[in-house]
Amino acid sequence: GESVGLHLPTLSVQEGDNSIINCAYSNSASDYFIWYKQESGKGPQFIIDIRSNMDKRQGQRVTVLLNKTVKHLSLQIAATQPGDSAVYFCAETVLNAGKSTFGDGTTLTVKP
Amino acid sequence: ETGVTQTPRHLVMGMTNKKSLKCEQHLGHNAMYWYKQSAKKPLELMFVYSLEERVENNSVPSRFSPECPNSSHLFLHLHTLQPEDSALYLCASSQEQGREKLFFGSGTQLSVL
Repeated sequence: GESVGLHLPTLSVQEGDNSIINCAYSNSASDYFIWYKQESGKGPQFIIDIRSNMDKRQGQRVTVLLNKTVKHLSLQIAATQPGDSAVYFCAETVLNAGKSTFGDGTTLTVKP
Repeated sequence: ETGVTQTPRHLVMGMTNKKSLKCEQHLGHNAMYWYKQSAKKPLELMFVYSLEERVENNSVPSRFSPECPNSSHLFLHLHTLQPEDSALYLCASSQEQGREKLFFGSGTQLSVL
């Protein structure tokens, strides 16, 4: 249930596996990054964020990795559960400009 | 609940109708946003208000008219829309404009016939 490096529009994993969702960002000046989760019928919800002075940040069952050299962001979900099924978006922000841009989403499907 | 409430949840309108979308945030935030979400496309920022002043208008057609009467309420007035305007319209808020995570409402699913 992993796809390292490449952004995929869809990802299907088995319950209990780890998931990796990737995002390539476009602006080398971006210095703040956020992952959002959007469940069916709802708006996007904040999962985790990271600033450019860090390369890794952990939350509850989620980890975000930032590779500024190749402008790549990933979201790792440990022990994926059916409730993790959703569309996941990354957003990049240039803090001085107050400008955010959303990436293409990845639809994660968790099979029981 | 995210603290951002949008009404109505669903709206069907003809091209000659006038309707309004409403957003209310209960978080004490200073910035509010309208986004458009179409199938297979990233979220598109439409308008940004900071402290009730419009600070961004991303080349949105004039048939969309925002209004922010106070820091807790945001409206999107719709007039003479086109079928390609059918989409999910999301309202969001943040403590400070452009520098923090966004709190989104559940959106209004708009269909223009």
